[in-house]
Amino acid sequence: EPEVTQTPSHQVTQMGQEVILRCVPISNHLYFYWYRQILGQKVEFLVSFYNNEISEKSEIFDDQFSVERPDGSNFTLKIRSTKLEDSAMYFCASSGTVRADTQYFGPGTRLTVL
Amino acid sequence: KNEVEQSPQNLTAQEGEFITINCSYSVGISALHWLQQHPGGGIVSLFMLSSGKKKHGRLIATINIQEKHSSLHITASHPRDSAVYICAVTNTGNQFYFGTGTSLTVIP
Repeated sequence: EPEVTQTPSHQVTQMGQEVILRCVPISNHLYFYWYRQILGQKVEFLVSFYNNEISEKSEIFDDQFSVERPDGSNFTLKIRSTKLEDSAMYFCASSGTVRADTQYFGPGTRLTVL
Repeated sequence: KNEVEQSPQNLTAQEGEFITINCSYSVGISALHWLQQHPGGGIVSLFMLSSGKKKHGRLIATINIQEKHSSLHITASHPRDSAVYICAVTNTGNQFYFGTGTSLTVIP
């Protein structure tokens, strides 16, 4: 069964460093999402992406964040200058050919900022 | 301000019991999602609904748009159902809001 994959599973970085989290969505999906979950807190929406551009973003998704689909298979989330409070689990998800399709989640990347 | 409220926050049940988790929301929605988060952290989408009722195996989800309320029911609960169940909504502006989750433990 097709699945969403994410790499790395765990990333440790120093405050102020740039990180790129990678996701490979399900191959025929057209909608892509990033979410984060700070330890012990609820899942929060960051951004959705369709047709090579951001379609919605939350207040969390400020200028420090960017997303890209560089090669037609990968979907990346970049954090330019990490802060301690960026430490969280980051989930990628994708959904099919219409926006209202069920979303399929990746296993997540745990980001630890020291 | 929480756009999505779930109850209860924690639930312990004996194997075989019928379980209900409730979700109320305060925004206009285009869809409501029920998600399951396993102890290891992985998230699985259980249901997406915008009206009525959906059933998948022992799981049933209902939504009442007028009352802005949804329920997730688990019949004949089993220890493998132990997980956090999350209600989330897509509002009419295509923003996503998540509840804080209901932690379910089913005891053999």
